[in-house]
Amino acid sequence: SQELEQSPQSLIVQEGKNLTINCTSSKTLYGLYWYKQKYGEGLIFLMMLQKGGEEKSHEKITAKLDEKKQQSSLHITASQPSHAGIYLCGAASGDGNKLVFGAGTILRVKS
Amino acid sequence: GAGVSQSPSNKVTEKGKDVELRCDPISGHTALYWYRQSLGQGLEFLIYFQGNSAPDKSGLPSDRFSAERTGGSVSTLTIQRTQQEDSAVYLCASSLGITGNTIYFGEGSWLTVV
Repeated sequence: SQELEQSPQSLIVQEGKNLTINCTSSKTLYGLYWYKQKYGEGLIFLMMLQKGGEEKSHEKITAKLDEKKQQSSLHITASQPSHAGIYLCGAASGDGNKLVFGAGTILRVKS
Repeated sequence: GAGVSQSPSNKVTEKGKDVELRCDPISGHTALYWYRQSLGQGLEFLIYFQGNSAPDKSGLPSDRFSAERTGGSVSTLTIQRTQQEDSAVYLCASSLGITGNTIYFGEGSWLTVV
């Protein structure tokens, strides 16, 4: 079965600093999703990447998909306290019928 | 509706009682998913529906768990004879189809078994 490993597990950054979260798959990625979750809330969809080399941006968040490395990265520029939360990557399972998720990366932003 | 709606948002129940969790997906979404998130754990897939049928029930942890979907819309997840280890957030999600579409999540139902 497909497994997703996220790194780091958690990080604390100073407000205004940049950061990167990685998601590595044990199998070929056919689609990669990034979600954000705040404590006690549901998952907020951030971006979906489907093609090798694809890169998408939304406000200060940029995500890239590198199919060769079976990896995706999420980069936040000039972090703000509003960026704090848990970032989860998800990928379509081998049968394509559901998403499997990484364990998540906890981000704290110090102001 | 505008988003995936789940109810109740919070439920405290006594061990051994049955509970029902409801999910109202985004209008027009044919695919519906149930996940479970325990404290400090990742998201655990439970079951998904395509229309009213459930092709994949592989994630249901035991026969105490069941789910149904009627009219291609609302789904109910039922947990019988609840145990303390069932305490978790139960998340519902929906999408236009099962492949290559954005999956949107609800706010979740927090279940606490005491």
